[in-house]
Amino acid sequence: DQQVKQNSPSLSVQEGRISILNCDYTNSMFDYFLWYKKYPAEGPTFLISISSIKDKNEDGRFTVFLNKSAKHLSLHIVPSQPGDSAVYFCAASGASNTGKLIFGQGTTLQVKP
Amino acid sequence: SAVISQKPSRDICQRGTSLTIQCQVDSQVTMMFWYRQQPGQSLTLIATANQGSEATYESGFVIDKFPISRPNLTFSTLTVSNMSPEDSSIYLCSARLGGEQYFGPGTRLTVT
Repeated sequence: DQQVKQNSPSLSVQEGRISILNCDYTNSMFDYFLWYKKYPAEGPTFLISISSIKDKNEDGRFTVFLNKSAKHLSLHIVPSQPGDSAVYFCAASGASNTGKLIFGQGTTLQVKP
Repeated sequence: SAVISQKPSRDICQRGTSLTIQCQVDSQVTMMFWYRQQPGQSLTLIATANQGSEATYESGFVIDKFPISRPNLTFSTLTVSNMSPEDSSIYLCSARLGGEQYFGPGTRLTVT
């Protein structure tokens, strides 16, 4: 049972345009959500997070939106840069972020120059 | 932030043998975690390792197969015992610090 799903295995966008990565979850007990970026041969790097009491969190070019009623979150990257090309993982945690993360399958983003 | 290192970075092992993976954090942390990423799959939590207590294993993972040590606040080891080809994965150490969770670079294990 996949509690966190990233239904798009890959996404390709042009440099300067917006990248939108999507994530759905099934467990209503999740109350903290994170996005990680992963380059080959490296561990995941934390990007941005959002608590369930918010519907938006912004950090520079990265914005995460949370729609609790739809159990859906998305990561927007504006403007996209070639260095953003990586695998992006959505993760969820319950009980106010205990550190036990449930990850989605990942979406490979390619930003073309 | 926390910097996490792992040893070895990769290894090729024979079926039936065991491998111990080391994880070092540059800060003292209470909570450390071990994850596995099988080929083409997502990251799956194996266990939580808190200093001074027994590791807590997730469903599908047992101590006999994945014994964990946590001797102090900056170090942990994960052993993959009696390996089979199905254990071929990337094993990642993670630590929680300042409300955020950081990951090591991973250990790529291939079992032949």
